Amino acid sequence: DIQMTQSPSSLSASVGDRITITCRTSQSISSFLNWYQQRPGRAPKLLIYATSSLPSGGPSRFSGSGSGTDFTLTISGLQPEDFATYYCQQSYIMPPTFGPGTKVDIK
Amino acid sequence: QVQLVESGGGVVQPGRSLRLSCAASGFPFSNYGMHWVRQAPGKALEWVAFIQYDGANTHYADSVRGRFTISRDNSKDTLHLQMNSLRAGDTAVYFCARDREPSRLDYWGQGTLVTVSS
Repeated sequence: DIQMTQSPSSLSASVGDRITITCRTSQSISSFLNWYQQRPGRAPKLLIYATSSLPSGGPSRFSGSGSGTDFTLTISGLQPEDFATYYCQQSYIMPPTFGPGTKVDIK
Repeated sequence: QVQLVESGGGVVQPGRSLRLSCAASGFPFSNYGMHWVRQAPGKALEWVAFIQYDGANTHYADSVRGRFTISRDNSKDTLHLQMNSLRAGDTAVYFCARDREPSRLDYWGQGTLVTVSS
């Protein structure tokens, strides 16, 4: 199975900040990398797919980049509703695997 | 709009069985593969199982293979997860999610809690 790591595991930030979360995979996955946002007590929500694509209606302050084994999620201008946990997930090969998550909370 | 509603969770003793269901609406269910994903309390997401749109192919996580069975009834727009020989480590919220190939989970249900405890 492809192993996923994320850094940092948690971070504190303020509204308006720009933050970056990194995801690394144990083998190359081309661009088959997705990001999910999960607010406390809620279901995950697809945030970015195929490394850098936004689902329809997704806020443009979220962006993704990378390829191969190294990927990043950037939030430009944190909003109050963005304080949540973020997971990366590879969809290159079965089984799909998730990263351990990065919790973003309010400084 | 796409809706996925899980049901069937509850408290069950170790070694017993439970069957989860996921009712789908707002999209042509028979055209999409479906996943189950679980989340133990305070832990990360863990993928559990996948079933192809027509039920012809299935995949399982090593942790549940041989104990869990994913199935679907396309005539009723419903996904199921039959869980046998349950263990304490299976305690989690179980989510169903729609698949957009390959393995992009674009819509999720709200989850149903399974607690395995004596």
